[in-house]
Amino acid sequence: GAVVSQHPSWVICKSGTSVKIECRSLDFQATTMFWYRQFPKQSLMLMATSNEGSKATYEQGVEKDKFLINHASLTLSTLTVTSAHPEDSSFYICSARNGRRQFFGPGTRLTVL
Amino acid sequence: KQEVTQIPAALSVPEGENLVLNCSFTDSAIYNLQWFRQDPGKGLTSLLLIQSSQREQTSGRLNASLDKSSGRSTLYIAASQPGDSATYLCAVRLDNTDKLIFGTGTRLQVFP
Repeated sequence: GAVVSQHPSWVICKSGTSVKIECRSLDFQATTMFWYRQFPKQSLMLMATSNEGSKATYEQGVEKDKFLINHASLTLSTLTVTSAHPEDSSFYICSARNGRRQFFGPGTRLTVL
Repeated sequence: KQEVTQIPAALSVPEGENLVLNCSFTDSAIYNLQWFRQDPGKGLTSLLLIQSSQREQTSGRLNASLDKSSGRSTLYIAASQPGDSATYLCAVRLDNTDKLIFGTGTRLQVFP
């Protein structure tokens, strides 16, 4: 139980395009999901907290207009990187809260050329 | 501001050794502390979760301790195996929040 999936697992795009990443809780409902970013050989940094049916809460320094988050259902949150640039290349990981724990997805590797 | 630090940053040992990974945090007002494993290019697997009122948790060859007052946690791995090779992350959950603050990680390599 408590499985979280992400799609796609990797994506390569041209600079200036937008990329959507999906995070799904497969066997539980998650009112709260989280989006993290991880640069090579660095730790995970929380970007935003996604709440079902309401606006996401962004961490300081994260541009909400660049990283659009939509939590439209209890099992799905999406992160859209708008007008992606090479500096947005990173590993994006989502998690979903189930009870007291967060369960993490397998991550999405984004490479912007 | 809560800061979480892990030492060592990297560790390479022969299999069979017992290992200690360290995690320290600056603000003792935590709800719980969790240890994760991350394989290269993969997501996180939760290993152990210690509530703030607990002192330790054990799962198989893994034992995690928590000293909240001193801001420290250790992950003990007994009889290490090559399959234990991964990055180990600790994360604290702050009181009255869902947020996890992650440490810098320890990259472990266990060679045959």
